Amino acid sequence: EDQVTQSPEALRLQEGESSSLNCSYTVSGLRGLFWYRQDPGKGPEFLFTLYSAGEEKEKERLKATLTKKESFLHITAPKPEDSATYLCAEHTSGSRLTFGEGTQLTVNP
Amino acid sequence: AAGVIQSPRHLIKEKRETATLKCYPIPRHDTVYWYQQGPGQDPQFLISFYEKMQSDKGSIPDRFSAQQFSDYHSELNMSSLELGDSALYFCASRLLFAGGGEQFFGPGTRLTVL
Repeated sequence: EDQVTQSPEALRLQEGESSSLNCSYTVSGLRGLFWYRQDPGKGPEFLFTLYSAGEEKEKERLKATLTKKESFLHITAPKPEDSATYLCAEHTSGSRLTFGEGTQLTVNP
Repeated sequence: AAGVIQSPRHLIKEKRETATLKCYPIPRHDTVYWYQQGPGQDPQFLISFYEKMQSDKGSIPDRFSAQQFSDYHSELNMSSLELGDSALYFCASRLLFAGGGEQFFGPGTRLTVL
């Protein structure tokens, strides 16, 4: 069964303290690995798409990387406004997205 | 840039009532997806439409139905509402055969069933 697993469930950082979030996927023949940011009560906001192992994409303080079985979202020198839930998702059957349970990130000033 | 529009943003219904949620995709997007997100959970795929035809079906109850109209907007109809239907309902859109495959989500409709 296609499955997306994220870790940790929750992460508290001090402002400026860099860290990484993990996303493990099990589907064979990956057709896209997606990262979204979700603020409470709002819709997921698209961040990155990755397709092949070794691919990297960056946006401001965020960098997403992909290996054959995992993706990482690296957060460099985070700020309080980076606090949110970060969701990883992959294309499974059809073009639907299957999401992981997310990592709730809190960045303290 | 134009985003996905959902209405209403909030909806309160009684058990056994019906509800209709509307979604207006990003202009020129031809595919619409519906997701349900319960409290503290990740979004779960319900159903999708491409060019007004149902393209995929997930864990959508038989009490729910949906369609996509000629102007590409979509409606999710929910009948015999249950307490467990209380959730955030998101619509997402994309241009199926172009771009990077990413889906763009609307702000959601918060449905509360009392």
